[in-house]
Amino acid sequence: DQQVKQNSPSLSVQEGRISILNCDYTNSMFDYFLWYKKYPAEGPTFLISISSIKDKNEDGRFTVFLNKSAKHLSLHIVPSQPGDSAVYFCAAKGRGNNNDMRFGAGTRLTVKP
Amino acid sequence: SQTIHQWPATLVQPVGSPLSLECTVEGTSNPNLYWYRQAAGRGLQLLFYSVGIGQISSEVPQNLSASRPQDRQFILSSKKLLLSDSGFYLCAWSVGYNEQFFGPGTRLTVL
Repeated sequence: DQQVKQNSPSLSVQEGRISILNCDYTNSMFDYFLWYKKYPAEGPTFLISISSIKDKNEDGRFTVFLNKSAKHLSLHIVPSQPGDSAVYFCAAKGRGNNNDMRFGAGTRLTVKP
Repeated sequence: SQTIHQWPATLVQPVGSPLSLECTVEGTSNPNLYWYRQAAGRGLQLLFYSVGIGQISSEVPQNLSASRPQDRQFILSSKKLLLSDSGFYLCAWSVGYNEQFFGPGTRLTVL
């Protein structure tokens, strides 16, 4: 079952503009959310996370927003750079349990110079 | 610092042949270990996880198995590969209630 959904398989933006990647989840027991970035033929690398007690977490050019009532989170990248081109995975997990992390199908971001 | 290794990086195997993928973690003790598979155009599917030596939990029924002979070693195996086993296999580790860290992955092609 798809408990974490990324409905946009791809996104293309111009360098310098904002990239917004979206993610929806269905399990109300999820309380910790993560974004991973993945280059071809490499493992995903952790990018940023947010706990359900917050609605925003910022780290440099990356900001994650969480809307618990809508069960929706988004990743904003500002300004976008060509090196940001990769597949971005949204993930969610429940409190205190490392074994129920669920991943979305990923969104391929292309940042054009 | 912690490091996770996976090998081989790529593998081409005939249908019906056995499989053994290895993952080792350095720089941490008693990690949780995970095997994921990413099929073409799909997300990451959790296959197995382990919270300690000799302890394996399976998420989905399949012809794959996992073993954890040592604290920081995780092995993914199959006695007979199927075409549907093709994919990108990822090992990951975590400690406590924290994010998971992934290895470089193994690209498996079953012909």
